[in-house]
Amino acid sequence: DAGVTQSPTHLIKTRGQQVTLRCSPKSGHDTVSWYQQALGQGPQFIFQYYEEEERQRGNFPDRFSGHQFPNYSSELNVNALLLGDSALYLCASSLGDRDSYEQYFGPGTRLTVT
Amino acid sequence: GDSVTQMEGPVTLSEEAFLTINCTYTATGYPSLFWYVQYPGEGLQLLLKATKADDKGSNKGFEATYRKETTSFHLEKGSVQVSDSAVYFCALGGAGGGNKLTFGTGTQLKVEL
Repeated sequence: DAGVTQSPTHLIKTRGQQVTLRCSPKSGHDTVSWYQQALGQGPQFIFQYYEEEERQRGNFPDRFSGHQFPNYSSELNVNALLLGDSALYLCASSLGDRDSYEQYFGPGTRLTVT
Repeated sequence: GDSVTQMEGPVTLSEEAFLTINCTYTATGYPSLFWYVQYPGEGLQLLLKATKADDKGSNKGFEATYRKETTSFHLEKGSVQVSDSAVYFCALGGAGGGNKLTFGTGTQLKVEL
């Protein structure tokens, strides 16, 4: 049973560039959430996708956008990168977005902005 | 808004010592509470959870009780092992609908022989 997978593992970008991160949910899951984890901090909720729509959003600017595909996989896009966007980006999947609170996390993508 | 406060680390213990990591929360509604663990170089793993007041979550010798009156969910283990060395995150979810998680800042645990 494949767990949550993310790609790439590591990424280095320059300020002002754009980046796309990818996530495949655990088999059988239909909801994908994205979190940003700065060094030494807890993960911060970015947004959640269910039925190909953004259902909830955290306190992140519009530079952060996403998409969910019919196969439930998801992308996180960040435009106009800032140095402060350097972090570990975690994807989590679950079955449903309401009563099924258990989320399974992927290993993350480490983004470095220089 | 929702928030989680957990004790700062790092916490350093000798093997077989008793562990307590404090966690308190602020939330609207009736959240579920979680402890996640992050081993070096790995993603987050769910350690245990409790979905209503007075529930006790337990797993791998760890346990935590959902205390609504003190808005707390302290993590305990009677005898830690070197392999328990990791960062532990307290989190709440589902308070305002949906299942987004709000995390604490994490507590690093180091267990020495």
